[in-house]
Amino acid sequence: DIQMTQSPSTLSASIGDRVTITCRASQNVGYWLAWYQQKPGKAPKLLIYKASSLESGVPSRFSGSGSGTEFSLTISSLQPDDFATYYCQQYNTFSTTFGQGTKVEIK
Amino acid sequence: QITLKESGPTLVKPTQTLTLTCTFSGFSLSTSEVGVGWIRQPPGKALEWLALIYWDDDKRYSPSLKSSLTITKDTSKNQVVLTMTNMNPVDTATYYCVHTSRRVFRFWGQGTVVTVSS
Repeated sequence: DIQMTQSPSTLSASIGDRVTITCRASQNVGYWLAWYQQKPGKAPKLLIYKASSLESGVPSRFSGSGSGTEFSLTISSLQPDDFATYYCQQYNTFSTTFGQGTKVEIK
Repeated sequence: QITLKESGPTLVKPTQTLTLTCTFSGFSLSTSEVGVGWIRQPPGKALEWLALIYWDDDKRYSPSLKSSLTITKDTSKNQVVLTMTNMNPVDTATYYCVHTSRRVFRFWGQGTVVTVSS
């Protein structure tokens, strides 16, 4: 299995902050990387696919970058609705795997 | 509008077999490149992919759980069924049904909580 490692595990930030979450793959996954946002008690929501493609309806303050083994999700100006847990997912192979999650908390 | 909904028991005993059904609408599982799968999330933990079944009946399983999982589809009923044998308390989780196109999980069910306890 390809292992996905996110950092940090928890991030404390304030409204308006620029926030970056990193995801590292144990093997080259090309551009086949997605990001999801999950709020407590809810199903995850797709934000970014193919490393940098913004899902329809997702605010433009969210952006993704990277390729190969190093990826990042950036929120350009953190909003109250963005406090949640974020997961990366590689789908380079049929055996898809998720990162362990990054919780974005209010500072 | 694509929707998916999970159904099944909320409580199973250790060693029993879990059967979950995903009933979906808004798409057909006979459409090229479309699939339906299952993902679970233990309380307070990360997401774990379990299985996928595609329009052409191609089936994929998590390598670590392959021996205990079976996924099937009934295209006429718009349903996908996951069975998981020899359930253990560590299998306690919220189980999600997902729609996939090209392995991205764009649509999710609300999830169903399954507790494994005697």
